Amino acid sequence: NAGVTQTPKFQVLKTGQSMTLQCAQDMNHEYMSWYRQDPGMGLRLIHYSVGAGITDQGEVPNGYNVSRSTTEDFPLRLLSAAPSQTSVYFCASSLKRLNTEAFFGQGTRLTVV
Amino acid sequence: AQSVTQLGSHVSVSEGALVLLRCNYSSSVPPYLFWYVQYPNQGLQLLLKYTTGATLVKGINGFEAEFKKSETSFHLTKPSAHMSDAAEYFCAVSYRTGANSKLTFGKGITLSVRP
Repeated sequence: NAGVTQTPKFQVLKTGQSMTLQCAQDMNHEYMSWYRQDPGMGLRLIHYSVGAGITDQGEVPNGYNVSRSTTEDFPLRLLSAAPSQTSVYFCASSLKRLNTEAFFGQGTRLTVV
Repeated sequence: AQSVTQLGSHVSVSEGALVLLRCNYSSSVPPYLFWYVQYPNQGLQLLLKYTTGATLVKGINGFEAEFKKSETSFHLTKPSAHMSDAAEYFCAVSYRTGANSKLTFGKGITLSVRP
């Protein structure tokens, strides 16, 4: 099983550029989410989705957009990249129930210069 | 609002020594509690979780954690550290907000193991 697949693994952007981080899961999970990981900050929730067509904001949503047109895919869009968005981004998926395990992708290391 | 506190950012132990990583939570309702581990340049993977029932839970790689409601704690322990345990460890709490649920992480603790 592939689990949760994120692409690309590494990316360098110039300030003001836009891009989409891809996330796909093959476990038929309803719940998908995006986190960013920064040193000393742990993981902070950007956006999440409880099913196709349903998304909501997390703790740090500004500068990011998401959509969920299928159960499998949950792309994260950076509209106009800023150096403050330099981070490691993780996508996760899980069954909708609260007590279930979240499965994480390998991460995308993004640098904005 | 629910939150997770992991005291300290770095713990160093000798190989064979006890590992103790602390986690405290604040929640107005009983939460579900998790410990995740992140090895260098990898994603997170689940070590163990507490949902209901027995308060002492065992996970992979010899780790265990005990849910103590009176202390709002869920500390992670391992009797004897191994070099391969060097990683970053995250405590997390799952709770419901409105009709949805969220997983909130602590800031993480880096565990170093000295030979």
